[in-house]
Amino acid sequence: NAGVTQTPKFRILKIGQSMTLQCAQDMNHNYMYWYRQDPGMGLKLIYYSVGAGITDKGEVPNGYNVSRSTTEDFPLRLELAAPSQTSVYFCASRSQGYEQFFGPGTRLTVL
Amino acid sequence: KNQVEQSPQSLIILEGKNCTLQCNYTVSPFSNLRWYKQDTGRGPVSLTIMTFSENTKSNGRYTATLDADTKQSSLHITASQLSDSASYICVVTSRGGATNKLIFGTGTLLAVQP
Repeated sequence: NAGVTQTPKFRILKIGQSMTLQCAQDMNHNYMYWYRQDPGMGLKLIYYSVGAGITDKGEVPNGYNVSRSTTEDFPLRLELAAPSQTSVYFCASRSQGYEQFFGPGTRLTVL
Repeated sequence: KNQVEQSPQSLIILEGKNCTLQCNYTVSPFSNLRWYKQDTGRGPVSLTIMTFSENTKSNGRYTATLDADTKQSSLHITASQLSDSASYICVVTSRGGATNKLIFGTGTLLAVQP
């Protein structure tokens, strides 16, 4: 099992550009999450999904969109990137149990 | 307001020494508390999980305690190794709704020096 994978590892965007952060898991987990981690701050939930075709907003959803067409994939879309979206983004998944398994993260810089 | 506070913010210890990290929380309703280890440039990895009825849980050299009455938890690391250098994050899960909510602490950055 590869677990939770994320691409790219690093990305630099210009203000106003768009991009999609990819996340995939091969554990057949229903629940998937997107978090951002800013320096000195705890992880904040952006969006989550409880299964294919179902998504919902988390704590900080503004400026982002998600889709969940399959169980495996949960891409995060940034439209019109802003400097405030400079952060490290983590994708996670879990089964019915408590533990969330995290991907290695994507470090995004918006200049 | 649901909050998780950790102390200290950072800690430097010598290899082989023990240390204890603290976590205080105000989360309701409480479901469970988990300690994660996050190596630099990596995602968090779970070390221990404790539910309301558990007051101690060990994972090798890591021992977590939970006092649900005072809403405090600690993570004790025994005989530290260089590979223990990482950020340790306390995460409390709040029950409710279609999905439980995770409240993350800001972490304690531990540096183990030779």
